[in-house]
Amino acid sequence: DGGITQSPKYLFRKEGQNVTLSCEQNLNHDAMYWYRQDPGQGLRLIYYSQIVNDFQKGDIAEGYSVSREKKESFPLTVTSAQKNPTAFYLCASSPPGRANTEAFFGQGTRLTVV
Amino acid sequence: QKEVEQDPGPLSVPEGAIVSLNCTYSNSAFQYFMWYRQYSRKGPELLMYTYSSGNKEDGRFTAQVDKSSKYISLFIRDSQPSDSATYLCAMSGGQAGTALIFGKGTTLSVSS
Repeated sequence: DGGITQSPKYLFRKEGQNVTLSCEQNLNHDAMYWYRQDPGQGLRLIYYSQIVNDFQKGDIAEGYSVSREKKESFPLTVTSAQKNPTAFYLCASSPPGRANTEAFFGQGTRLTVV
Repeated sequence: QKEVEQDPGPLSVPEGAIVSLNCTYSNSAFQYFMWYRQYSRKGPELLMYTYSSGNKEDGRFTAQVDKSSKYISLFIRDSQPSDSATYLCAMSGGQAGTALIFGKGTTLSVSS
């Protein structure tokens, strides 16, 4: 089945540690995105990538890093510089020709700092 | 003023009611308008996609866009308990190097 797979579903991190959230898609989509969702805040854009080896900061990129070495993969690293990392993280991708319009989402990773 | 405004609710209706969900926006460059449904602890799923002004119908769902008023709506007819979810509007100007802008979402509860 084609889709977007995020792993793990739940992740616990100690303060001061970096963690990497995985996002893989087999939809042949060029554009990929990372959003953060907090209660009452809606979805806020962290990073997005239109093509391989290229990515741009979104509205809340501080404390996060990404890479896009393969079309299928867009991992997000939450660094120790992110002061409030506990949130629900959503990865999305867009079909060719729809890069700035439709987005299809994975099932999310819930990160908790302990 | 935020680019996209959406009343978070919660909105509670009985089964069979007609539901109206709305968003307003400030950026006149927006051309693409989407509605997503998100069940608890799940990723959002695309419900409706509309380009520019007008109406679009899909089963019990109707999306309306009024660009002159910068106002979009989602109507749900004959609402069902399975419609209970958070509904997010999203929009974009479609330009290269941009991404979707989301509303905060409206939480809907349909009681049987």
